[in-house]
Amino acid sequence: DSGVTQTPKHLITATGQRVTLRCSPRSGDLSVYWYQQSLDQGLQFLIQYYNGEERAKGNILERFSAQQFPDLHSELNLSSLELGDSALYFCASSVSGVAKNIQYFGAGTRLSVL
Amino acid sequence: KNEVEQSPQNLTAQEGEFITINCSYSVGISALHWLQQHPGGGIVSLFMLSSGKKKHGRLIATINIQEKHSSLHITASHPRDSAVYICAVRETSGSRLTFGEGTQLTVNP
Repeated sequence: DSGVTQTPKHLITATGQRVTLRCSPRSGDLSVYWYQQSLDQGLQFLIQYYNGEERAKGNILERFSAQQFPDLHSELNLSSLELGDSALYFCASSVSGVAKNIQYFGAGTRLSVL
Repeated sequence: KNEVEQSPQNLTAQEGEFITINCSYSVGISALHWLQQHPGGGIVSLFMLSSGKKKHGRLIATINIQEKHSSLHITASHPRDSAVYICAVRETSGSRLTFGEGTQLTVNP
């Protein structure tokens, strides 16, 4: 158990809908990262937050947004869903945002858009 | 060309064999991660390296910064080592991770 909790584990929804994925980092970790793993693209970095502030942005679509709350949990919002958004979404956390910190991964949320 | 390339893509071994998975990258990095993804999808961080060599049980990871290359070795492989092994680099220019495509390892009893 990595200590990172993601909910829900599975999500099935329809095109055009909006969903929210939730991540609780390990106790004491200030940095949260979101990743997408699809069959054709592999793992891709979406966005990072550190202590409530956006730190880095990757290949995140405009239809997607995220935030980190004062209690350090984070939410990834996906809207106007398309079939191609079906993927595993992982959250990871680390103590800080610097390079030398290991990232601990949650178990992922499997999103299926029908 | 991907910034992070792994080889081989697929690897099948017999129990007990010594296994090597390679990772080459083309960007300047501050750290390199080796991750293990189980069939159920969960990801575990195995190593984070910025230089030299690290060992944990039967797993050894090395990195050569000058050659921009890292290897993950598994000694005395076991069927429970069957998983996808993913190399990821953290570029010096930022904090994002860039991932290789992974190596699917199958260890047969």
